[in-house]
Amino acid sequence: AQRVTQPEKLLSVFKGAPVELKCNYSYSGSPELFWYVQYSRQRLQLLLRHISRESIKGFTADLNKGETSFHLKKPFAQEEDSAMYYCALRSGGSNYKLTFGKGTLLTVNP
Amino acid sequence: DAGITQSPRHKVTETGTPVTLRCHQTENHRYMYWYRQDPGHGLRLIHYSYGVKDTDKGEVSDGYSVSRSKTEDFLLTLESATSSQTSVYFCAISAGFNEQFFGPGTRLTVL
Repeated sequence: AQRVTQPEKLLSVFKGAPVELKCNYSYSGSPELFWYVQYSRQRLQLLLRHISRESIKGFTADLNKGETSFHLKKPFAQEEDSAMYYCALRSGGSNYKLTFGKGTLLTVNP
Repeated sequence: DAGITQSPRHKVTETGTPVTLRCHQTENHRYMYWYRQDPGHGLRLIHYSYGVKDTDKGEVSDGYSVSRSKTEDFLLTLESATSSQTSVYFCAISAGFNEQFFGPGTRLTVL
C-alpha cells in the first residue's frame, strides 16, 4: 500500500528565512510526486510535480528515491507563502488516483 | 481556474436526510474524483470515475454513492447524512497524464 507522510502539522518561520516542508513516501514502484498548495479558503492548486523539475514561486523539490523523500524548499520565505501544503503521490495503473499526506500549515511571520 | 464548478457551495442539513453534491466540468476530462478534507486527515478519496457510468470506491466510501451519467457531471450522494460527514468536499478532474484540477469545494454541515 502507498502512503505519504508529512511529519509537521504546523511550521512557522519568519519572512526571509529558509523553509523546508518535509514529505516522505512509501511505495514499491516508481512514484510520481506532487506538491499542492491551498491558500486560505481557496481551492487546491498544483505547485510542483517532480517530473517537470520546475521552480514555481521560488519553491523547488527534489525526488530522493534512496530516502523516499520529496521535500519542498524555498530559500527566502514570503508572507504570501502562508498556506496549507499537501504532498501527493500518484502510482501507475491506478486510474491516476492521488494519495495525499495530511498537510503542513505554513505560517510566515513578518 | 480549470472549468470545474461545484454546487451548492455551502449546505446545512439534518442528520438522516439525503444530500447530493454536484461537480460540473467543461474540460471534457475523463477522470473525476470526490475527496473530503478534514483537519488532521488531509484529503481522502471517497469515489472516483474513469468514464461515463464507470465509477469505483476510494478509501472512505462508506455512506456515499456516486453517479456519472454524462462526461461533465459527477454527483456525490450522502444517502443518510450523519454528523461525521460534516466536512469540506472537493471535486477534482484530470485528463489522466496531467495533474488533477480541483473545484472550489462544498462546505457541508450535518446537524
